[in-house]
Amino acid sequence: EAQVTQNPRYLITVTGKKLTVTCSQNMNHEYMSWYRQDPGLGLRQIYYSMNVEVTDKGDVPEGYKVSRKEKRNFPLILESPSPNQTSLYFCASSLIVPVQNSPLHFGNGTRLTVT
Amino acid sequence: GESVGLHLPTLSVQEGDNSIINCAYSNSASDYFIWYKQESGKGPQFIIDIRSNMDKRQGQRVTVLLNKTVKHLSLQIAATQPGDSAVYFCAERGRGYQKVTFGTGTKLQVIP
Repeated sequence: EAQVTQNPRYLITVTGKKLTVTCSQNMNHEYMSWYRQDPGLGLRQIYYSMNVEVTDKGDVPEGYKVSRKEKRNFPLILESPSPNQTSLYFCASSLIVPVQNSPLHFGNGTRLTVT
Repeated sequence: GESVGLHLPTLSVQEGDNSIINCAYSNSASDYFIWYKQESGKGPQFIIDIRSNMDKRQGQRVTVLLNKTVKHLSLQIAATQPGDSAVYFCAERGRGYQKVTFGTGTKLQVIP
């Protein structure tokens, strides 16, 4: 089944403890992206990647890192999480940059709580 | 399931009626627009998209209308069903850009 898989679904951590949220897609997509979703603010893009070893900042990149060493994986790294990073995170991918016939496919989300 | 937002604009529709969800976009240079549906506990799911060189596009039970003059996008759902209850997001992509920007969403409630 074609899908975007995120892990974990739920994560509770403490301020300053490094964490990684994994994302994997099995559709051979070139484009991958991370979003965070907060009440009243919709989905905001954190980072995106056009292909292997090609990443770029989205609208809210501060406090996050990403890597794209393989086409299928796009982990999100929080080196020193803070409470303002408590949010619902989504990974998404598309065949190429999002255009008609290449829409974004989303994972089911990771709920992160930083205390 | 996960809540996707508080105090979202809400549209309540009787089952079987048609629904119209509206969205205003800000970037006159956007050339691609998408509607997504998000059910509780799930990620957004693609519904339909439209390019800026079109005014209307139809899918199965859904129609997207684009009015570039007033920068307005709408999603029409015919014969709304309980399974259509969800939060709906419009999204846009600026010409020449690689990122998609999402609106804040509208909650659709279908009354049986």
